[in-house]
Amino acid sequence: DAKTTQPPSMDCAEGRAANLPCNHSTISGNEYVYWYRQIHSQGPQYIIHGLKNNETNEMASLIITEDRKSSTLILPHATLRDTAVYYCIVRPTAQGGSEKLVFGKGTKLTVNP
Amino acid sequence: NAGVTQTPKFQVLKTGQSMTLQCAQDMNHNSMYWYRQDPGMGLRLIYYSASEGTTDKGEVPNGYNVSRLNKREFSLRLESAAPSQTSVYFCASSIRTGLVNYGYTFGSGTRLTVV
Repeated sequence: DAKTTQPPSMDCAEGRAANLPCNHSTISGNEYVYWYRQIHSQGPQYIIHGLKNNETNEMASLIITEDRKSSTLILPHATLRDTAVYYCIVRPTAQGGSEKLVFGKGTKLTVNP
Repeated sequence: NAGVTQTPKFQVLKTGQSMTLQCAQDMNHNSMYWYRQDPGMGLRLIYYSASEGTTDKGEVPNGYNVSRLNKREFSLRLESAAPSQTSVYFCASSIRTGLVNYGYTFGSGTRLTVV
């Protein structure tokens, strides 16, 4: 699986947008970008995924650069409950690829009051 | 409530003891996984089962065995527990639709201490 690079930590003020970057310069054409988060002591939670188009759901937006070598997860109005470790993961499409998700160390986002 | 259920939530074992961690999902997902997470670390895949009847090794399979009992249940067994297996264990499941394996759903974890 392609590897990702994320900053180890970030801070954000409550109510502001949190922009979490991820570098995946070796991503292949059939690999999706997935974002998960893990709130302290809980199991990871799926946030969003995308292939090449920008995606938005009720939790966040995912912006993928045109060359697909990096992406940004945007939490538009961060709250204290968004404090968590955020993982950016790339993996192949299911057909012909493994089913596994490989987690790195992620970005520890702290939302401050 | 729909989701992934893990039992037990906490366990203390003595070195050399054996135990089985249970995991069940009620979402009709075809794939299931076992991860471990050590303090300050990301999750590492132990074993996974892409579909009922199949299992495969992940990154750190040594010291563990798994059984995909049926589509709902995927258990993880420690035959002879060691202190190095002290960790938080997470079970997850996912479903594939076409070419895309959609988001995993994780359980709440089993906190295992081996003394």
